[in-house]
Amino acid sequence: DAKTTQPTSMDCAEGRAANLPCNHSTISGNEYVYWYRQIHSQGPQYIIHGLKNNETNEMASLIITEDRKSSTLILPHATLRDTAVYYCIVRVFRNSGNTPLVFGKGTRLSVIA
Amino acid sequence: DTGVSQNPRHKITKRGQNVTFRCDPISEHNRLYWYRQTLGQGPEFLTYFQNEAQLEKSRLLSDRFSAERPKGSFSTLEIQRTEQGDSAMYLCASSFYLSLAGGRTYNEQFFGPGTRLTVL
Repeated sequence: DAKTTQPTSMDCAEGRAANLPCNHSTISGNEYVYWYRQIHSQGPQYIIHGLKNNETNEMASLIITEDRKSSTLILPHATLRDTAVYYCIVRVFRNSGNTPLVFGKGTRLSVIA
Repeated sequence: DTGVSQNPRHKITKRGQNVTFRCDPISEHNRLYWYRQTLGQGPEFLTYFQNEAQLEKSRLLSDRFSAERPKGSFSTLEIQRTEQGDSAMYLCASSFYLSLAGGRTYNEQFFGPGTRLTVL
């Protein structure tokens, strides 16, 4: 799986959009971009994933650049409960289905009141 | 609660003792994963099962570690002769995978709250 690079930490004001960047310049054509987050003392939580197109769900939006070498996770209206470590993961789907997740150190997002 | 559950939530043990953790996945999920997470790091994959079969083990899973999923439901992770370096959070995750003719169906991994192990 391709390597990802994320900033170590970021701050965001409550109610504002949080934009979390991720670089994955060695991504292959069949690799997806996944985002998970981990709130303190909890297990990781799936947020969103995408291949080429931008994706949106009830939690967040994922913007993938046209060359797929980077992406941005957007939390449109950050709340204090969004304070967590956010992991960007690049992952290939094998024929055998879900593969284990390879986590980096992630970005620690602090939402400030 | 229909999420992934893990027991115990915390375990303190002395070096050299054996410990066992239990994971109960979401009931319809046929895949179960174990990860380990040390302070300041992201989780690291240890092993996973599809039903009762252990399909993959990472190099992190030394001979002192053994995982089972005897009936394809809950799973146990045992660490024998614990060492201080085993101190970590042990996370369990589950997912559903179904292979259909001409296609596949799978869901994402849902994680439990973890078992925090402290080896003194």
